[in-house]
Amino acid sequence: AQSVTQPDIHITVSEGASLELRCNYSYGATPYLFWYVQSPGQGLQLLLKYFSGDTLVQGIKGFEAEFKRSQSSFNLRKPSVHWSDAAEYFCAVGPNNNDMRFGAGTRLTVKP
Amino acid sequence: GAGVSQTPSNKVTEKGKYVELRCDPISGHTALYWYRQSLGQGPEFLIYFQGTGAADDSGLPNDRFFAVRPEGSVSTLKIQRTERGDSAVYLCASSLAAGGTDEQFFGPGTRLTVL
Repeated sequence: AQSVTQPDIHITVSEGASLELRCNYSYGATPYLFWYVQSPGQGLQLLLKYFSGDTLVQGIKGFEAEFKRSQSSFNLRKPSVHWSDAAEYFCAVGPNNNDMRFGAGTRLTVKP
Repeated sequence: GAGVSQTPSNKVTEKGKYVELRCDPISGHTALYWYRQSLGQGPEFLIYFQGTGAADDSGLPNDRFFAVRPEGSVSTLKIQRTERGDSAVYLCASSLAAGGTDEQFFGPGTRLTVL
């Protein structure tokens, strides 16, 4: 069965600092991997996805993620965080876009 | 263009009552998904439709939950005999088609509170 672990419940970074949010997955085959962001009062928005090919994936809002099969990880990164990036971030895994399993999320706080 | 809309945005009901939650997908999207998000958790898959038919309802927790999509557009999630444990945010998403790589677009959710 597929599952996702986001080890960090809450992370605080200073504005302008770099960010890395961790995601580890369990899946029996080549997974489809996703990162979503959820801002208060907003719907979930897709930041990026990995299906195949280049393991470094670029997304919207300056985010990127790297698929590391050997570590079963798909960590999200951003070189310089903006105050507007404060939100909840969810990693998801699935065989396709139907059957996604989400992690519990990481809440990001940005200090001025 | 319009995104996925959900009504109502908030619903407060009493234990044992029946509720209906509505989802309007993006026009032209054939796939529609329902998720439940409890406090401090990620979205949990409930059911998805391809057209009018429920292609996978394996996430529905029990037979008190039911969803329909009679004309292949709007969907209604129905919960009978509500329990306090049903309190959560119910999310709807739609995509062009299911089973591939099309992005799911999420609505803002309906917050259900069962007193």
